[in-house]
Amino acid sequence: EDKVVQSPLSLVVHEGDTVTLNCSYEVTNFRSLLWYKQEKKAPTFLFMLTSSGIEKKSGRLSSILDKKELFSILNITATQTGDSAIYLCAVYQGGSEKLVFGKGTKLTVNP
Amino acid sequence: ETGVTQSPTHLIKTRGQQVTLRCSSQSGHNTVSWYQQALGQGPQFIFQYYREEENGRGNFPPRFSGLQFPNYSSELNVNALELDDSALYLCASSLGGLAGAAVNEQFFGPGTRLTVL
Repeated sequence: EDKVVQSPLSLVVHEGDTVTLNCSYEVTNFRSLLWYKQEKKAPTFLFMLTSSGIEKKSGRLSSILDKKELFSILNITATQTGDSAIYLCAVYQGGSEKLVFGKGTKLTVNP
Repeated sequence: ETGVTQSPTHLIKTRGQQVTLRCSSQSGHNTVSWYQQALGQGPQFIFQYYREEENGRGNFPPRFSGLQFPNYSSELNVNALELDDSALYLCASSLGGLAGAAVNEQFFGPGTRLTVL
């Protein structure tokens, strides 16, 4: 069965801390891995990763994919209260053309 | 560029009723995917429509059905509502192509919160 597993499920940190969110996957016909941030309703796109070892960066956020070990990490440095959200990892599966999501990591950043 | 929109925002129904949810895709996108997100869970894929045809389906019963219109907007219909259908329903649009196309970045709408009593 195709699955995406995120850890930890929940994380509480203080402003300024650095966090690493993990995503492992077992999905047939892998096409790409995507990270989303969900604050209230609509998940907002962060990164799409297709190649191993190439880090993608956007401000304080960065992500990398390891296709051999089947995992990805999302790093957030110098966290701010506005980073509080659920971070979703999803794998795009070819053939079925669907995103297989993990349960998400709920990040809370306290002032 | 117009983003993905969904209507209604919230909806309350009773068991056994039928519901129709609507989604307008982002300008230039021809593919719409629907997801169900129960509380505390990640979104679960319901189905995808590409150029008015169903292009993939998740593990949902036939009472979940959909349509895509020539302008690429889409509807999700759920018949014989059950309590477990209570969830946030998300629509995502993307630019799809021929089988094997690598363009698959999906943009999500704000969702419809469905409550079944």
